[in-house]
Amino acid sequence: EAEVAQSPRYKITEKSQAVAFWCDPISGHATLYWYRQILGQGPELLVQFQDESVVDDSQLPKDRFSAERLKGVDSTLKIQPAELGDSAMYLCASSLGDREKVAQYFGPGTRLLVL
Amino acid sequence: KNQVEQSPQSLIILEGKNCTLQCNYTVSPFSNLRWYKQDTGRGPVSLTIMTFSENTKSNGRYTATLDADTKQSSLHITASQLSDSASYICVVSVGGATNKLIFGTGTLLAVQP
Repeated sequence: EAEVAQSPRYKITEKSQAVAFWCDPISGHATLYWYRQILGQGPELLVQFQDESVVDDSQLPKDRFSAERLKGVDSTLKIQPAELGDSAMYLCASSLGDREKVAQYFGPGTRLLVL
Repeated sequence: KNQVEQSPQSLIILEGKNCTLQCNYTVSPFSNLRWYKQDTGRGPVSLTIMTFSENTKSNGRYTATLDADTKQSSLHITASQLSDSASYICVVSVGGATNKLIFGTGTLLAVQP
Protein backbone atom coordinates (compact mmCIF):
# COMPACT_ATOMS: atom_id res chain seq x y z
CA GLU A 1 0.00 0.00 0.00
CA ALA A 2 1.36 3.41 -0.99
CA GLU A 3 2.40 5.67 1.87
CA VAL A 4 3.55 9.22 2.44
CA ALA A 5 7.27 9.20 3.23
CA GLN A 6 8.95 11.69 5.54
CA SER A 7 12.52 12.15 6.68
CA PRO A 8 14.15 12.43 9.04
CA ARG A 9 11.89 10.78 11.60
CA TYR A 10 13.60 12.58 14.47
CA LYS A 11 15.66 15.75 14.59
CA ILE A 12 17.40 17.42 17.52
CA THR A 13 18.86 20.84 16.94
CA GLU A 14 19.95 23.88 18.88
CA LYS A 15 18.06 27.13 18.71
CA SER A 16 19.14 29.50 15.93
CA GLN A 17 20.17 26.58 13.73
CA ALA A 18 18.51 25.74 10.42
CA VAL A 19 16.49 22.54 9.95
CA ALA A 20 14.84 20.99 6.93
CA PHE A 21 12.23 18.28 6.57
CA TRP A 22 11.43 16.29 3.46
CA CYS A 23 8.16 14.75 2.29
CA ASP A 24 7.37 12.45 -0.61
CA PRO A 25 3.59 12.17 -1.13
CA ILE A 26 1.70 9.22 -2.53
CA SER A 27 2.28 8.98 -6.26
CA GLY A 28 -0.33 10.92 -8.21
CA HIS A 29 -1.48 13.04 -5.28
CA ALA A 30 -1.64 16.63 -6.45
CA THR A 31 -2.34 18.19 -3.07
CA LEU A 32 0.28 18.24 -0.32
CA TYR A 33 -0.04 19.62 3.19
CA TRP A 34 2.40 20.42 5.98
CA TYR A 35 1.00 20.38 9.52
CA ARG A 36 2.54 21.13 12.91
CA GLN A 37 1.30 19.17 15.91
CA ILE A 38 2.24 20.26 19.39
CA LEU A 39 2.10 17.51 22.00
CA GLY A 40 -1.46 17.02 23.23
CA GLN A 41 -3.03 19.09 20.48
CA GLY A 42 -4.47 18.45 17.05
CA PRO A 43 -2.48 19.21 13.90
CA GLU A 44 -2.39 22.79 12.65
CA LEU A 45 -2.09 23.46 8.92
CA LEU A 46 1.06 25.36 7.98
CA VAL A 47 0.93 25.25 4.18
CA GLN A 48 -1.04 23.59 1.40
CA PHE A 49 0.22 22.99 -2.14
CA GLN A 50 -1.75 22.21 -5.26
CA ASP A 51 0.88 20.76 -7.58
CA GLU A 52 3.76 23.23 -7.27
CA SER A 53 1.66 26.20 -6.22
CA VAL A 54 0.94 27.36 -2.68
CA VAL A 55 -2.82 27.65 -2.13
CA ASP A 56 -2.83 28.37 1.62
CA ASP A 57 0.08 29.53 3.77
CA SER A 58 -1.87 31.84 6.02
CA GLN A 59 -0.65 30.08 9.19
CA LEU A 60 2.97 29.73 8.11
CA PRO A 61 5.34 31.96 10.15
CA LYS A 62 7.01 33.34 7.07
CA ASP A 63 9.76 35.15 8.93
CA ARG A 64 11.39 31.82 9.73
CA PHE A 65 9.51 29.08 7.86
CA SER A 66 9.61 28.34 4.15
CA ALA A 67 8.20 25.54 2.04
CA GLU A 68 8.66 24.54 -1.54
CA ARG A 69 7.43 21.91 -3.96
CA LEU A 70 9.41 22.83 -7.04
CA LYS A 71 8.38 20.01 -9.35
CA GLY A 72 4.99 19.39 -7.84
CA VAL A 73 6.03 16.08 -6.32
CA ASP A 74 8.16 16.02 -3.17
CA SER A 75 8.37 18.95 -0.81
CA THR A 76 10.74 20.53 1.71
CA LEU A 77 9.85 22.51 4.81
CA LYS A 78 12.60 24.65 6.30
CA ILE A 79 12.95 26.52 9.57
CA GLN A 80 15.66 29.15 9.95
CA PRO A 81 16.43 30.00 12.66
CA ALA A 82 14.80 27.39 14.86
CA GLU A 83 13.31 28.53 18.17
CA LEU A 84 12.50 26.57 21.32
CA GLY A 85 8.78 26.87 20.58
CA ASP A 86 9.21 25.07 17.28
CA SER A 87 9.58 21.76 19.10
CA ALA A 88 6.71 19.67 17.74
CA MET A 89 5.75 16.89 15.34
CA TYR A 90 5.73 18.02 11.71
CA LEU A 91 3.31 16.01 9.62
CA CYS A 92 3.06 15.84 5.87
CA ALA A 93 -0.15 14.69 4.20
CA SER A 94 -1.30 14.27 0.63
CA SER A 95 -4.56 13.81 -1.22
CA LEU A 96 -5.70 13.25 -4.78
CA GLY A 97 -7.20 16.72 -4.91
CA ASP A 98 -8.53 19.46 -2.75
CA ARG A 99 -12.21 18.64 -3.09
CA GLU A 100 -14.37 18.05 -0.05
CA LYS A 101 -14.50 14.48 1.27
CA VAL A 102 -11.18 13.62 -0.37
CA ALA A 103 -9.18 11.65 2.16
CA GLN A 104 -5.87 13.02 3.38
CA TYR A 105 -3.15 10.45 3.97
CA PHE A 106 -0.59 11.32 6.60
CA GLY A 107 3.06 10.41 6.79
CA PRO A 108 4.75 9.19 9.99
CA GLY A 109 5.92 12.69 10.87
CA THR A 110 9.21 14.27 11.87
CA ARG A 111 9.57 14.90 15.57
CA LEU A 112 11.65 18.05 16.14
CA LEU A 113 13.30 18.96 19.43
CA VAL A 114 14.93 22.37 19.71
CA LEU A 115 17.35 22.76 22.62
CA LYS B 1 -14.98 30.61 15.23
CA ASN B 2 -14.72 27.08 13.83
CA GLN B 3 -13.99 24.67 16.66
CA VAL B 4 -14.00 20.96 17.37
CA GLU B 5 -14.13 19.75 20.97
CA GLN B 6 -13.63 16.20 22.14
CA SER B 7 -14.35 14.36 25.35
CA PRO B 8 -13.07 12.79 27.41
CA GLN B 9 -9.46 13.99 27.11
CA SER B 10 -8.27 10.55 28.15
CA LEU B 11 -9.80 7.19 28.88
CA ILE B 12 -8.58 3.90 30.34
CA ILE B 13 -10.53 0.71 29.68
CA LEU B 14 -9.93 -3.00 30.05
CA GLU B 15 -9.31 -5.18 27.05
CA GLY B 16 -12.53 -6.55 25.62
CA LYS B 17 -14.69 -3.69 26.87
CA ASN B 18 -16.55 -1.20 24.70
CA CYS B 19 -16.16 2.56 24.82
CA THR B 20 -17.60 5.68 23.21
CA LEU B 21 -15.75 8.89 22.40
CA GLN B 22 -17.56 12.18 21.87
CA CYS B 23 -17.06 15.07 19.49
CA ASN B 24 -18.93 18.40 19.37
CA TYR B 25 -18.30 20.90 16.64
CA THR B 26 -19.14 24.44 15.62
CA VAL B 27 -18.02 24.54 12.01
CA SER B 28 -19.83 26.43 9.31
CA PRO B 29 -20.44 25.62 6.60
CA PHE B 30 -20.14 21.94 7.38
CA SER B 31 -18.90 19.51 4.74
CA ASN B 32 -17.95 16.26 6.40
CA LEU B 33 -16.66 14.76 9.63
CA ARG B 34 -13.77 12.36 9.95
CA TRP B 35 -12.35 10.24 12.73
CA TYR B 36 -8.64 9.53 12.71
CA LYS B 37 -6.57 7.14 14.84
CA GLN B 38 -3.09 8.31 15.74
CA ASP B 39 -0.64 5.89 17.31
CA THR B 40 2.07 7.44 19.46
CA GLY B 41 4.79 8.95 17.30
CA ARG B 42 2.93 8.23 14.07
CA GLY B 43 0.76 10.17 11.66
CA PRO B 44 -3.05 10.00 11.86
CA VAL B 45 -4.84 7.26 9.94
CA SER B 46 -8.38 7.78 8.67
CA LEU B 47 -11.08 5.56 10.19
CA THR B 48 -14.33 7.03 8.81
CA ILE B 49 -15.63 9.96 6.76
CA MET B 50 -19.30 11.03 7.01
CA THR B 51 -21.17 13.69 5.10
CA PHE B 52 -24.22 15.64 6.24
CA SER B 53 -26.64 12.95 5.05
CA GLU B 54 -24.88 10.02 6.71
CA ASN B 55 -25.64 9.33 10.36
CA THR B 56 -23.61 6.17 10.88
CA LYS B 57 -20.60 4.50 9.35
CA SER B 58 -18.65 1.44 10.44
CA ASN B 59 -15.09 0.28 9.92
CA GLY B 60 -14.61 -3.08 11.56
CA ARG B 61 -14.98 -2.65 15.31
CA TYR B 62 -15.24 1.14 14.93
CA THR B 63 -18.67 2.73 14.44
CA ALA B 64 -19.07 6.46 14.02
CA THR B 65 -22.36 8.35 14.34
CA LEU B 66 -23.24 11.86 13.27
CA ASP B 67 -26.11 14.09 14.36
CA ALA B 68 -25.92 17.12 12.10
CA ASP B 69 -28.76 18.83 13.96
CA THR B 70 -27.02 18.85 17.32
CA LYS B 71 -23.55 18.98 15.71
CA GLN B 72 -22.36 15.96 17.61
CA SER B 73 -20.52 12.82 16.64
CA SER B 74 -19.42 9.73 18.51
CA LEU B 75 -16.96 6.95 17.86
CA HIS B 76 -17.87 3.60 19.40
CA ILE B 77 -15.21 0.94 19.78
CA THR B 78 -16.43 -2.60 20.31
CA ALA B 79 -14.51 -5.39 22.03
CA SER B 80 -11.41 -3.25 22.53
CA GLN B 81 -7.95 -4.65 21.88
CA LEU B 82 -4.56 -3.59 23.18
CA SER B 83 -3.76 -2.24 19.72
CA ASP B 84 -6.63 0.23 20.04
CA SER B 85 -4.48 2.24 22.45
CA ALA B 86 -3.97 5.51 20.60
CA SER B 87 -5.23 9.06 20.26
CA TYR B 88 -8.53 9.42 18.40
CA ILE B 89 -8.98 12.72 16.61
CA CYS B 90 -12.26 14.15 15.36
CA VAL B 91 -11.83 16.33 12.28
CA VAL B 92 -14.43 18.48 10.54
CA SER B 93 -14.04 19.67 6.97
CA VAL B 94 -15.17 23.21 6.18
CA GLY B 95 -17.60 23.33 3.28
CA GLY B 96 -16.78 25.48 0.28
CA ALA B 97 -13.11 25.67 1.17
CA THR B 98 -10.33 23.70 -0.40
CA ASN B 99 -10.43 20.68 1.90
CA LYS B 100 -9.70 22.81 5.01
CA LEU B 101 -9.82 20.63 8.10
CA ILE B 102 -10.51 21.66 11.68
CA PHE B 103 -8.90 19.23 14.12
CA GLY B 104 -10.00 18.38 17.64
CA THR B 105 -7.37 17.88 20.32
CA GLY B 106 -8.07 14.16 20.50
CA THR B 107 -9.02 11.56 23.11
CA LEU B 108 -6.14 9.48 24.39
CA LEU B 109 -7.33 5.90 24.85
CA ALA B 110 -5.39 3.33 26.84
CA VAL B 111 -6.53 -0.29 26.71
CA GLN B 112 -5.17 -2.37 29.56
CA PRO B 113 -4.94 -6.17 29.74
